[in-house]
Amino acid sequence: SQTIHQWPATLVQPVGSPLSLECTVEGTSNPNLYWYRQAAGRGLQLLFYSVGIGQISSEVPQNLSASRPQDRQFILSSKKLLLSDSGFYLCAWRRRASDTDTQYFGPGTRLTVL
Amino acid sequence: EDKVVQSPLSLVVHEGDTVTLNCSYEVTNFRSLLWYKQEKKAPTFLFMLTSSGIEKKSGRLSSILDKKELFSILNITATQTGDSAVYLCAVEAPQKLVFGQGTRLTINP
Repeated sequence: SQTIHQWPATLVQPVGSPLSLECTVEGTSNPNLYWYRQAAGRGLQLLFYSVGIGQISSEVPQNLSASRPQDRQFILSSKKLLLSDSGFYLCAWRRRASDTDTQYFGPGTRLTVL
Repeated sequence: EDKVVQSPLSLVVHEGDTVTLNCSYEVTNFRSLLWYKQEKKAPTFLFMLTSSGIEKKSGRLSSILDKKELFSILNITATQTGDSAVYLCAVEAPQKLVFGQGTRLTINP
């Protein structure tokens, strides 16, 4: 069966510090991978998605970036965090072969920028 | 611009009541509509709807899609305190899901 991991689970960082959040998927190959952010009391906003190694599409302009160095690894980064980067970050995966399969979410990382 | 709007944003009812949550959308190249339940952490999948008029049912939860009027409803009958959560509606376009703001449902005993 497939599982998706995210770490860390929670993170408190000062403004201006760097960020690296990691997501890995087990039990599947060639997944589509996604990063979402959920601000307090809001819906999910798609930040990045990837259909393969090194292939990243950005949905919104911001000071975040994403990378996919391996097939089942997706990393969200920032060089300098802003207060507005606080939120709940969710990674998700979907089988690439199926256009109508649902996305499955990881446990999330709650980021607080002070 | 793709958009998904849920209503109400917040709902408080008593245990045993029936609730209806709404989701309307405007999305280019619609593929499917999904409902998720989010408690403390990651959303968990409830339903995927692709065809109009066909009700999907799971226990006390059911959902239906109207592709002509571009909306979906999620019904929960005989609500229980464990149904308290944020319910998210998402519409699938190519390569992405567009989420609504969510409906925060609170069930009081």
